[in-house]
Amino acid sequence: AQKITQTQPGMFVQEKEAVTLDCTYDTSDPSYGLFWYKQPSSGEMIFLIYQGSYDQQNATEGRYSLNFQKARKSANLVISASQLGDSAMYFCAMRGGGSNYKLTFGKGTLLTVNP
Amino acid sequence: NAGVTQTPKFRILKIGQSMTLQCAQDMNHNYMYWYRQDPGMGLKLIYYSVGAGITDKGEVPNGYNVSRSTTEDFPLRLELAAPSQTSVYFCASSFSVRVAASNSPLHFGNGTRLTVT
Repeated sequence: AQKITQTQPGMFVQEKEAVTLDCTYDTSDPSYGLFWYKQPSSGEMIFLIYQGSYDQQNATEGRYSLNFQKARKSANLVISASQLGDSAMYFCAMRGGGSNYKLTFGKGTLLTVNP
Repeated sequence: NAGVTQTPKFRILKIGQSMTLQCAQDMNHNYMYWYRQDPGMGLKLIYYSVGAGITDKGEVPNGYNVSRSTTEDFPLRLELAAPSQTSVYFCASSFSVRVAASNSPLHFGNGTRLTVT
């Protein structure tokens, strides 16, 4: 079964600086997808970025990029030029490991951006 | 576009009561899911459906039931509510997924906050 590990319960970053949120995963399948979601204090789940196991390049979406190291089974989210509105819970999730349908989520990292 | 709509937003139940959490999507997605989120935890899958008439259990199905009579609707039924079911419930949907590496994300509703006392 697949497993997602987020080892940082909380992170702090100064406004305008970059921050990396860690995510490691465990699967023996060659085909899988990795997702990051943002959950602000209002509670909704917002999709940020995707990385496929066969992708040759790291994914980028605006200020978000994914540092994908396949051999290490890590998929860290990098947020550049942090903004106060980036303060939220961030979840790493994976599709794969025997199921093509569901996403398995990590426990999340609470990011606080300080002015 | 409404996306995924969940009702109600909040609900308080007494132990032993029953209720149905409603979920509807207007994106013509085949796949639908119910997750629960406990405080400080990630999301755990309760049930999912890959199309009308097809449902299957996730990680934590005990105490819940689902049905999928149409593509649009995927209600979650709680029978005999227990304090352990106090949680935030999220419904989600996605396009059909052919391979695990598919880039189709889950689209989430805004959640239902349920308290059982």
